[in-house]
Amino acid sequence: NAGVTQTPKFRILKIGQSMTLQCTQDMNHNYMYWYRQDPGMGLKLIYYSVGAGITDKGEVPNGYNVSRSTTEDFPLRLELAAPSQTSVYFCASSRDRVSQETQYFGPGTRLLVL
Amino acid sequence: AQSVAQPEDQVKVAEGNPLTVKCTYSVSGNPYLFWYVQYPNRGLQFLLKYITGDNLVKGSYGFEAEFNKSQTSFHLKKPSALVSDSALYFCAVRVPNRDDKIIFGKGTRLHILP
Repeated sequence: NAGVTQTPKFRILKIGQSMTLQCTQDMNHNYMYWYRQDPGMGLKLIYYSVGAGITDKGEVPNGYNVSRSTTEDFPLRLELAAPSQTSVYFCASSRDRVSQETQYFGPGTRLLVL
Repeated sequence: AQSVAQPEDQVKVAEGNPLTVKCTYSVSGNPYLFWYVQYPNRGLQFLLKYITGDNLVKGSYGFEAEFNKSQTSFHLKKPSALVSDSALYFCAVRVPNRDDKIIFGKGTRLHILP
């Protein structure tokens, strides 16, 4: 199993550009999450999904969108990039609600918005 | 509001000495508590969790944590530190059936000195 994979590893965007961060898991997990990690801060939940076709907002959803058309994929979309979105983004998954606490994380995508 | 605090930005310990990384929490209800570790340029890895039962929880890589309800703490410990333990450690909390999301602390960087 590859676990949770994320692409790209690093990206530089100009203000106003858009991009999609890809996340795929091969563990057949129902729950998937997107977090951002800012320096000196813990992880902040952006969006999460409890299954294909179901998504919900986390703590900091503004400026982002997600979709979950399959169990495996959970892309994160930035429509109009802003400097405040400079961060490291982590995708994670867990089997179900009961085992939600044991999350498996991807290696992260480092995003710089200039 | 639910919160978790890691009062130390960094902890330095000599190799072979015992280490403690502190975590306190503030939640209503019975919390689920976790520790994660993050190595450079990697996603978070699950170390251990407390849900119920014995207050002393043993996890991966020789780490353990003690749940103290009266002090609302969940400190991470290891009897003898290794240089390879140097990493960023995150404490996290979840209240089951409430909000159903995990809140992460800001992290503590652990430096093990050879």
